[in-house]
Amino acid sequence: EMQLVQSGAEGKKPGESLKISCKGSGYSFTNYWISWVRLMPGKGLEWMGMIDPSDSYTMYSPSFQGHVTITVDKSISTAYLQWTTLGASDSAIFYCARHGYASSARSWFDPWGQGTHVIVSS
Amino acid sequence: DIQMTQSPSSLSASVGDRVTITCRASQGIGNYLAWYQQKPGKVPKVLIYAASTLQSGVPSRFSGSRSGTDFILTISSLQPEDVATYYCQKYDSAPLTFGGGTMVEI
Repeated sequence: EMQLVQSGAEGKKPGESLKISCKGSGYSFTNYWISWVRLMPGKGLEWMGMIDPSDSYTMYSPSFQGHVTITVDKSISTAYLQWTTLGASDSAIFYCARHGYASSARSWFDPWGQGTHVIVSS
Repeated sequence: DIQMTQSPSSLSASVGDRVTITCRASQGIGNYLAWYQQKPGKVPKVLIYAASTLQSGVPSRFSGSRSGTDFILTISSLQPEDVATYYCQKYDSAPLTFGGGTMVEI
């Protein structure tokens, strides 16, 4: 069964750094792009950016460019989303999602990880 | 960037009703449009991709259509388990923008 398993919930203070993970299994990890999506309380889904695990090529939403970094370690089939400086507005649920169409950035998402809840508070 | 305008933002309907949700792209995106369902506290799930292709395992009461830059998700007979927020998403090119969402209640 193909699935994405994300790291657990995090509680951080403003200004701290954070790296969350997303491990793929049950499929050829390098054949499918991975995207990250934010869900803030009371808001809708927001696409943050994506990475091609075969060569680590990334593309970001203008809304998130420069604020987060997406990386991948294909040796352990894991993608990452990281912040160097967290702000209170980074409190949200973050989902990773595999692109449904092989070797293509132009794809719907399926499956999704279970989500990582991040709370940033002083 | 292309904007995705979804309407309505919420709706309330009765069991058995036909429900339609519209997503309008500010420019042409071909058929590069997906619909997702997110139930409260759950992970989003793809219902339809390529504007009208039903994902495997999704009930046939869900359907998608396109007219130019307007995309429609139809639930032919609303069921209690369809209470959720529905999102459209374009994927023709980055950014892969989501619509604002439609909350469906019974």
